[in-house]
Amino acid sequence: KNEVEQSPQNLTAQEGEFITINCSYSVGISALHWLQQHPGGGIVSLFMLSSGKKKHGRLIATINIQEKHSSLHITASHPRDSAVYICAVRRTGANNLFFGTGTRLTVIP
Amino acid sequence: SAVISQKPSRDICQRGTSLTIQCQVDSQVTMMFWYRQQPGQSLTLIATANQGSEATYESGFVIDKFPISRPNLTFSTLTVSNMSPEDSSIYLCSVGGDSAFFGQGTRLTVV
Repeated sequence: KNEVEQSPQNLTAQEGEFITINCSYSVGISALHWLQQHPGGGIVSLFMLSSGKKKHGRLIATINIQEKHSSLHITASHPRDSAVYICAVRRTGANNLFFGTGTRLTVIP
Repeated sequence: SAVISQKPSRDICQRGTSLTIQCQVDSQVTMMFWYRQQPGQSLTLIATANQGSEATYESGFVIDKFPISRPNLTFSTLTVSNMSPEDSSIYLCSVGGDSAFFGQGTRLTVV
């Protein structure tokens, strides 16, 4: 079983819809990252969370440490949001990241 | 923050050959990480590259297949040796710390 589980695997939304992607993990962590991967393969970090909630533009990320769960929300989705969104955790005491399998989001105009 | 320049961005290689991927960081970093992303899979750590010492490889990855160099605190290379079609993947370098920064990725296809 993967230490980081994401859902859904694929998501198609109409432009303007509110989107939620979920991430659950089974290990102790020092940080959780939400990443965005575009078709070329490059990855951009959207958020790094250790507690609470962060907001950047139309993106909101939350984490519940006790429940070992995080969510990424996109408000007023747009076709340019189409990408793969990846949840990754840094285990306590580790330097590298452990990754979920990603959620492929397609936003239709 | 850190900006990582990774090249090549993509390549198509013949089986049995080798490809060297380079990553240049715009600041000095202690650790650089090399990841592989096989089609439809999550990223998997290949090795951690430290300047001045040999890279530390994860289970399932060996130095003969994936030799790594780390000549200074801003640069690293990963070589994929004696390639087979199973090596077709995206390879990414990354630096960490409190945040996470990635190169643009190298999409490798072995034919």
